[in-house]
Amino acid sequence: SSELTQDPAVSVALGQTVRITCQGDSLRSYYPSWYQQRPGQAPVVVIYGKNHRPSGIPDRFSGSSSGNTTSLTITGAQTEDEADYYCSSRVSSGYSWVFGGGTKLTVL
Amino acid sequence: QLQLQESGPGLVKPSETLSLTCSVSGGSIRSSIYYWGWIRQPPGKGLEWIGSIHHSGNTYYNPSLNSRVTISVDTSMNQFSLNLTSVTAADTAIYYCARLLLAIDVWGKGTMVTVSS
Repeated sequence: SSELTQDPAVSVALGQTVRITCQGDSLRSYYPSWYQQRPGQAPVVVIYGKNHRPSGIPDRFSGSSSGNTTSLTITGAQTEDEADYYCSSRVSSGYSWVFGGGTKLTVL
Repeated sequence: QLQLQESGPGLVKPSETLSLTCSVSGGSIRSSIYYWGWIRQPPGKGLEWIGSIHHSGNTYYNPSLNSRVTISVDTSMNQFSLNLTSVTAADTAIYYCARLLLAIDVWGKGTMVTVSS
């Protein structure tokens, strides 16, 4: 299967820790990546590979994986972290990609 | 700094062909390690990978769109293009071009394409 499954919505209190999860068979073979998308903006990668953060992404973002499940953790969520988050990975057929359905994060 | 810019018509009639171009600046599309791709997002919905191309011409397409999609590259113009045939209202979306390697690490701002008569 080339699908990735995410919870549609998650909420977190300001300053608390939240984990957003993603499941799919492709995650057993390929590293995931996570994207933050604020309203009206293009997505931005926040985590890729084995828990790598691109330059400029705060260190409160981290990733972990086990089996067919990957997680994005935000430690000490801030108001600016309120956004849609998408997981993605390559799939078995060469350089093809798949996205999860997205998780809307609300910071209370 | 690498930048990607989508261009093309914002309105396409049903059954016609959607054509978009992505112009790459601040870097060469001939870089051997990268793929270049298209991703779309219908209004209020999630992201959908459309396809990817290497400067050598090697392509991969989303199986759900495979019969209607062609992605091509013009290394002399440092551009790559998307053609999507026989469009319907379901193809109305923001279309993003992007650079791909371990992640989709550079995105264009996106261009809205509406399919309507």
